[in-house]
Amino acid sequence: EVQLVESGGGLVKPGGSLRLSCAASGLTFSNAWMSWVRQAPGKGLEWVGRIKSKTNGGTTDYAAPVKGRFTISRDDSRNTVYLQMNSLKTEDTALYYCTTVNWGAFDVWGQGTMVTVSS
Amino acid sequence: QTVVTQEPSFSVSPGGTVTLTCGLSSGSVSTNYYPSWYQQTPGQAPRTLIYNINTRSSGVPDRFSGSMLGNKAALTITGAQADDESDYYCVLYLPSGMVFGGGTKLTVL
Repeated sequence: EVQLVESGGGLVKPGGSLRLSCAASGLTFSNAWMSWVRQAPGKGLEWVGRIKSKTNGGTTDYAAPVKGRFTISRDDSRNTVYLQMNSLKTEDTALYYCTTVNWGAFDVWGQGTMVTVSS
Repeated sequence: QTVVTQEPSFSVSPGGTVTLTCGLSSGSVSTNYYPSWYQQTPGQAPRTLIYNINTRSSGVPDRFSGSMLGNKAALTITGAQADDESDYYCVLYLPSGMVFGGGTKLTVL
């Protein structure tokens, strides 16, 4: 069974940084495309970004609101994907989900980690 | 900026059939956008229902089905049950990235 476990969320001041981690198990991680999705309190789901597998170039894509501030990376030796978030804004407050990507869709979801940006 | 559109809310009677749609603010939904559908109940992580237009994710009952309906993607629930009362989101794989619709709140009553 594929499992994704996010960690690293917390309270951070505007302008600060935070790094989220997502540990994966039950899959050949090096072949997996991974994505981050977030959900602000009481709001809908929003795609944050995606990283392809290294065999597909390992490239990343980001949603416009986070481009230039957030960076997704992966460590296939640790079966882990990361989301480095810099220059955080109050509007980045959300529950952040890690997902696998398959056939242009989100496949397996983690339970999420909460990020609160507040002074 | 292209917006993915969904009905904000819908209501269905227990045992009834409902079709939710997923469109674009300008243009038609192409099969090349690999439409997918997700169910989310309050306090829970989303669950993948349908991907690549009409392929059910593992464990999803066959009363959930996906299709193309005119210029939109569609999710049909046949024989609605009380625990189908949830938020439903579609996603399109656009050139700008993976874009969520605003979600449809489905009430079963």
